[in-house]
Formats: sequence, C-alpha cells, structure tokens
Amino acid sequence: GAVVSQHPSWVICKSGTSVKIECRSLDFQATTMFWYRQFPKQSLMLMATSNEGSKATYEQGVEKDKFLINHASLTLSTLTVTSAHPEDSSFYICSARDLLAGGPIETQYFGPGTRLLVL
Amino acid sequence: GENVEQHPSTLSVQEGDSAVIKCTYSDSASNYFPWYKQELGKRPQLIIDIRSNVGEKKDQRIAVTLNKTAKHFSLHITETQPEDSAVYFCAAMQLSGGGADGLTFGKGTHLIIQP
Repeated sequence: GAVVSQHPSWVICKSGTSVKIECRSLDFQATTMFWYRQFPKQSLMLMATSNEGSKATYEQGVEKDKFLINHASLTLSTLTVTSAHPEDSSFYICSARDLLAGGPIETQYFGPGTRLLVL
Repeated sequence: GENVEQHPSTLSVQEGDSAVIKCTYSDSASNYFPWYKQELGKRPQLIIDIRSNVGEKKDQRIAVTLNKTAKHFSLHITETQPEDSAVYFCAAMQLSGGGADGLTFGKGTHLIIQP
C-alpha cells in the first residue's frame, strides 16, 4: 500500500531558529501533498496544500512567510517553520493522495507526524 | 469554507456494546466523508469512508451512514472491543477532478471501551 514517511519524527529547537520537516511518498508519486497541524488533544487543522512545481496554497490564517513549503519533486514536500516560537510547538502531519494508482483517488495517506517543541 | 461539528467529545461504553459518533457539515458541496482512528502520538488511520452518492456503508463491525439532506453522517461501531479505544475523527471534503483538496476535520471523539 501507499506509504508516506516524515523526517524528523521529533525535534527540539531554540526560539528564533528555523526547522525543516520532510514528507516523502515512498512508493507512489504525489503531485499534491497536504500539511496539517495538531495541537495536544485537538483536531487536525489543514495548513496548506503543497503542489509539485508550483506555489503552495495556504489556508486562511496561516502565514505563508512563516511556514515555507517546497514541493520540489513528485515524492518530496518540505515544510520549514521559520523563526520558530514556543506557540509553534505542535504535531505536524503531512498526507498525500496517490492519484495515479488504481485504487480510490480520494484516500489520503498520512505520514507518522513530526513533533516540534520550541523552547 | 467547510465546518465540521462532531459529538460527543468523549464516549465511554462497555465492552461488547455499540458506539455511535455523529458529525454535521456545513458545505453542501462536500461529497466525501472519511472517518479516521488515531491512537496517541500516531498517524490517523482511515477506517471507513463514504461518498455522497451512497447512504450507508458497512465493513464488518464498522458502519457509516450519511444523510445529505440534513448534512450529517455517523459512525457506528458494534460489539466494541478494548482495541477500539482511541480518538476518532470525522472529516469532509469536496472531491474535484484535480484532486487537490484537503480534509476538514471534526474535533474528535475520545472513545473509551470499559472492560
């Protein structure tokens, strides 16, 4: 089945630094990936849609200059949290859809998530 | 945009009993409704989904019903087992030809199965 990986699985950084999170589709090509954020005991909130070869589409209220998204290839999207602050501490999860597979195109495959703690 | 409401936030049932979780959505253009199970610290796992052209779908102990007119859908788990304990999220999405739509999630239901 379709597998999505994320790296790193967890990261601790100092306030003001930037953190890059990678999302990879391991056995399929993903022209579109999605980035979600989940605070403790809360739901997943869609941050942005990452489109291969073009600019990402951000949800209302998400700062595009703070959360930089790059979808450089059909198997890799990166999310960079710039100048991270303690309030950015969260669980960041990516997902991807395998639009070329023979199965349902609507199924989103989630990565294992990256836990970010900003001190 | 879409808004998904989910109830209850916590549900405790005796092992072997049934559990029902309900969600409503606001955007009549939404036509795909998945349910995810998430264990603590792990990724959401799709357990069942339904498209708007279907009223009900069943997979062993799990079923989902959809009422398009009322814009609500429900998850039914029968013969609950301890391993069903987790947080369950409903979601809604509008499927489009380009396939570039994200999910709008409900706030989640913490299901507790009492032995």
